[in-house]
Amino acid sequence: AQKVTQAQTEISVVEKEDVTLDCVYETRDTTYYLFWYKQPPSGELVFLIRRNSFDEQNEISGRYSWNFQKSTSSFNFTITASQVVDSAVYFCALSEAEANNDMRFGAGTRLTVKP
Amino acid sequence: NAGVTQTPKFRILKIGQSMTLQCAQDMNHNYMYWYRQDPGMGLKLIYYSVGAGITDKGEVPNGYNVSRSTTEDFPLRLELAAPSQTSVYFCASSSLGATNEKLFFGSGTQLSVL
Repeated sequence: AQKVTQAQTEISVVEKEDVTLDCVYETRDTTYYLFWYKQPPSGELVFLIRRNSFDEQNEISGRYSWNFQKSTSSFNFTITASQVVDSAVYFCALSEAEANNDMRFGAGTRLTVKP
Repeated sequence: NAGVTQTPKFRILKIGQSMTLQCAQDMNHNYMYWYRQDPGMGLKLIYYSVGAGITDKGEVPNGYNVSRSTTEDFPLRLELAAPSQTSVYFCASSSLGATNEKLFFGSGTQLSVL
């Protein structure tokens, strides 16, 4: 069965520090999709990125970057030069092609960025 | 730009009471979902629907019911509320399904059963 583990429950950094949020997943499917969502204090989850299992290229979007490594079943998320507005709970999620619509979420990592 | 709208935002129920959480989307999405989020836990799928008239169970369906009579609406029914159902409930929708594209989430309903 698919499973997502976010071992870091809470992380606190000072503004402008770089921070990496870890995500490790388990799946037996060869075709799967990985996601990151952000949940700011307002509560609504916001989509950040989607990656399929055949695309291991790292992605960068502004201060955000993602490192996908199938060899270690990890999909880590790095925020460069963190800002207070980055404070939120971040969820990693996995969806298998064979289990469409059953997206499994990790427990989330609460990031606090202090000024 | 309403997106996914959930009502109510907060609700307190007594054990054994019933209620319906409302969810509506205006993006003409076929797929709709209900998740619950418990403290320190990720979201767990309760029920989902791939179109009007079609629903299916997710990971944690016990104690809940859903219906999908229109594309826009996907209400979640709690028949006999129990303390274990205290949670934050999120409705979500997508055009192509949870695998093929991102989900759009509502702002959540915080439910307490006392």
